[in-house]
Amino acid sequence: NAGVTQTPKFQVLKTGQSMTLQCAQDMNHNSMYWYRQDPGMGLRLIYYSASEGTTDKGEVPNGYNVSRLNKREFSLRLESAAPSQTSVYFCASSEALFRGADTQYFGPGTRLTVL
Amino acid sequence: AQTVTQSQPEMSVQEAETVTLSCTYDTSESDYYLFWYKQPPSRQMILVIRQEAYKQQNATENRFSVNFQKAAKSFSLKISDSQLGDAAMYFCAYRREGAQKLVFGQGTRLTINP
Repeated sequence: NAGVTQTPKFQVLKTGQSMTLQCAQDMNHNSMYWYRQDPGMGLRLIYYSASEGTTDKGEVPNGYNVSRLNKREFSLRLESAAPSQTSVYFCASSEALFRGADTQYFGPGTRLTVL
Repeated sequence: AQTVTQSQPEMSVQEAETVTLSCTYDTSESDYYLFWYKQPPSRQMILVIRQEAYKQQNATENRFSVNFQKAAKSFSLKISDSQLGDAAMYFCAYRREGAQKLVFGQGTRLTINP
């Protein structure tokens, strides 16, 4: 099993450009998540998808959109990139055990720089 | 709102020694889960250990153990017999029962001195 995979690993954009970060998991998990990691701030949730067909905002959704394409794939789109979106982006997935120690498993991350 | 605080931005330890990383959290919930994640230079976030709040027994995973003090809202990670491969950022995280969201602390950078 590959677990959670993300593409690309690195990306440089100019202000105003758009791009989509791709995420896929092969663990048959129901829930998927997008986080961003900034220095000194830990990880913050951008959007999540509790199950196929649903998406919800997290702590910092402004400037992003998401699509849960199917059970395996969850993409994050930046419509008009801004320098404040320079960050490392992580995708994660979990079984979505609403009771129990539901554990999130993370992808390797995408380092995005917006000039 | 729930918050997680890691008060030690950096820690260092000699190889083969024991080190304890601190984590405190703020919540009014009684049912929740706590996690420690390791992030090595490769950036991959790896689950180290997890604790259910309803369990009084502290979780252990090989050289990793926690000291969970529910009343004090404290969740520290002890690494015994430290190895060079333990060098990483360590993040404490909280999730309340029934919620999807993980709340992370700011992280502690652990250095292992040979």
